[in-house]
Amino acid sequence: DSGVTQTPKHLITATGQRVTLRCSPRSGDLSVYWYQQSLDQGLQFLIQYYNGEERAKGNILERFSAQQFPDLHSELNLSSLELGDSALYFCASSASGRANTEAFFGQGTRLTVV
Amino acid sequence: AQSVTQPDIHITVSEGASLELRCNYSYGATPYLFWYVQSPGQGLQLLLKYFSGDTLVQGIKGFEAEFKRSQSSFNLRKPSVHWSDAAEYFCAVGDSSGAGSYQLTFGKGTKLSVIP
Repeated sequence: DSGVTQTPKHLITATGQRVTLRCSPRSGDLSVYWYQQSLDQGLQFLIQYYNGEERAKGNILERFSAQQFPDLHSELNLSSLELGDSALYFCASSASGRANTEAFFGQGTRLTVV
Repeated sequence: AQSVTQPDIHITVSEGASLELRCNYSYGATPYLFWYVQSPGQGLQLLLKYFSGDTLVQGIKGFEAEFKRSQSSFNLRKPSVHWSDAAEYFCAVGDSSGAGSYQLTFGKGTKLSVIP
C-alpha cells in the first residue's frame, strides 16, 4: 500500500459527460501529480500541484482541470468526455516538488467512456 | 526535452534465469532515474532510484540497476527471476523545470512474462 488513495477505482460514463476523480496523497506529502495511462500514449504527465498551487503542466487537455484543496487532497475534472479519454488515471504524491524526489502512486481510476 | 526509450516491448524468460531490461534516456543535465513495476490491475511501485553517487543501485525484490552516463543507459537486472516478477516495468526520468515543479517522463514499458 503506497498510502495514496484514489476514488473511484472504476468509472463508466457516456460521451459528453463530466466526471471527477479524487486523490488523497500520503500523509505529509505536499505535491500531487496526475498521470494518464493509455495503450497508445503510455504514461503521460498531466499536471502537478504543490501545496495548493499549480506548479507544472504537461499534456493536459483544455477539457481537463485539476485543483488541490487546503487539506491537500486533489481532484481531476474531466469534461465533455470523448471515447479517447478512456484510460487509467493515476495520482501520485511526493514530499516535495524537487526532481530528486520519490513519487508514490495510487492504484488508479479506470475510466471507460462509452 | 527529456525522453526515455525502452527498446523491448515484451520479454519472456524462464523462471530462475537472469534478466536485463534496457532503458536509455535523453536528458541535458544530471538525470534522476527510476524503475517502476506495474502488476496487472495495480498501481506503480518503485523498484529503485538513482540520484547520484554509486552507479550500481540496489532495489527491492532483488533488483538492481546500473547507471552508465557514457551510454545514457539505466538497465535493470535480476540474477534469478521468479514467477511473481511477471509484470510491466517502466523506466522514468525525473525533470524539474523550475522551483517546486517536477514531473516524471516514462518509457513505454517492457512487459515481462515468466515461463515456469
